[in-house]
Amino acid sequence: DAGVTQSPTHLIKTRGQQVTLRCSPKSGHDTVSWYQQALGQGPQFIFQYYEEEERQRGNFPDRFSGHQFPNYSSELNVNALLLGDSALYLCASSLWWGIQWKTQYFGPGTRLLVL
Amino acid sequence: GNSVTQMEGPVTLSEEAFLTINCTYTATGYPSLFWYVQYPGEGLQLLLKATKADDKGSNKGFEATYRKETTSFHLEKGSVQVSDSAVYFCALRPPTSGTASKLTFGTGTRLQVTL
Repeated sequence: DAGVTQSPTHLIKTRGQQVTLRCSPKSGHDTVSWYQQALGQGPQFIFQYYEEEERQRGNFPDRFSGHQFPNYSSELNVNALLLGDSALYLCASSLWWGIQWKTQYFGPGTRLLVL
Repeated sequence: GNSVTQMEGPVTLSEEAFLTINCTYTATGYPSLFWYVQYPGEGLQLLLKATKADDKGSNKGFEATYRKETTSFHLEKGSVQVSDSAVYFCALRPPTSGTASKLTFGTGTRLQVTL
């Protein structure tokens, strides 16, 4: 049973650049959420995608955008990178089963360093 | 809003010692509660969960009981091992409402177990 996968594992960018991170959900899951984890902190919710639409969003600027594809995989895009965007970006997948979402399972993350 | 407070670390224990990591939460209604563990350089792994008051989640010797009266979900293990060294995150998910599935995390507690 394939778990949540993310690519790339590490990435180095410079300020002002744009970045795209990718996530494939756990087999059987249809919902993807993205989290940002700064060093020494707990993960912070960015947004969630279900049925190819953004369903819920955390307190992040519009520079952060995403997409979900028909196969349930997802991308996170960050424009105009700032030094403060350096973090571990975690993807989590879950399944909507009619009345609520089931437990979220996390991928290994993509570590982004902005110079 | 929802929030999770964890005891600050690091927590340093000798192997076979008893572990308690405190977690309290603020939320309306009856959220679901989770403990996730993060090993060095890795993403988050679900350790255990509880979805209603007085539920006890357990896994790999770890236990936590959902206490509504004290809004707590403390993590315990009777005998820790060196391999348990990691960062532990307490998290909550709001009650079922169809669109609320984001996880709110605490800041994490680092556990160091020595021989």
